[in-house]
Amino acid sequence: KQEVTQIPAALSVPEGENLVLNCSFTDSAIYNLQWFRQDPGKGLTSLLLIQSSQREQTSGRLNASLDKSSGRSTLYIAASQPGDSATYLCACGVNRDDKIIFGKGTRLHILP
Amino acid sequence: GAGVSQSPRYKVTKRGQDVALRCDPISGHVSLYWYRQALGQGPEFLTYFNYEAQQDKSGLPNDRFSAERPEGSISTLTIQRTEQRDSAMYRCASSVTGRTEAFFGQGTRLTVV
Repeated sequence: KQEVTQIPAALSVPEGENLVLNCSFTDSAIYNLQWFRQDPGKGLTSLLLIQSSQREQTSGRLNASLDKSSGRSTLYIAASQPGDSATYLCACGVNRDDKIIFGKGTRLHILP
Repeated sequence: GAGVSQSPRYKVTKRGQDVALRCDPISGHVSLYWYRQALGQGPEFLTYFNYEAQQDKSGLPNDRFSAERPEGSISTLTIQRTEQRDSAMYRCASSVTGRTEAFFGQGTRLTVV
């Protein structure tokens, strides 16, 4: 059974800092990994999708990496802004059963 | 529509009543997923469809929960004889095919009183 863990559960950093959010998964047989952003009371917004054959994806100030063999992904946010405050979720698409399994998320707060 | 649409956005129901939650996926998307999310937790898988076929329902908590997608488009998640523990955000997602980027709707907040 795939288990996805996100560390830390919560993070507060001053505006302007670069930061890294971590995601680990127990079953390396995944077809993709997706990072989402969740704002309070809102839906999930897809940020980056990394296919299993890829090592990283970039979008603006966001960079996500994937190391399948070690069961890890990181989301790097450069030059953080107060508007980046949200919960960030990672989700793995599992080969065995095609399910998408989520971690519990990291609640990020950027201090102005 | 432009995105995944869920209705209603909010539903308050009395314990013991049945509720039906609707998901209208992005047009042409083959795969459709249902999740439940408790406060402070990540979305928990419930079930998913490819076209009208329910591929996996292992995440449905018990036999009070059921889902259908009869024409391979709109899906309904039904909860019979609701209980307070069913209160949560219910989320739906769709993707072009089973192993592509998933897009989520705004969710339905269910409160059982």
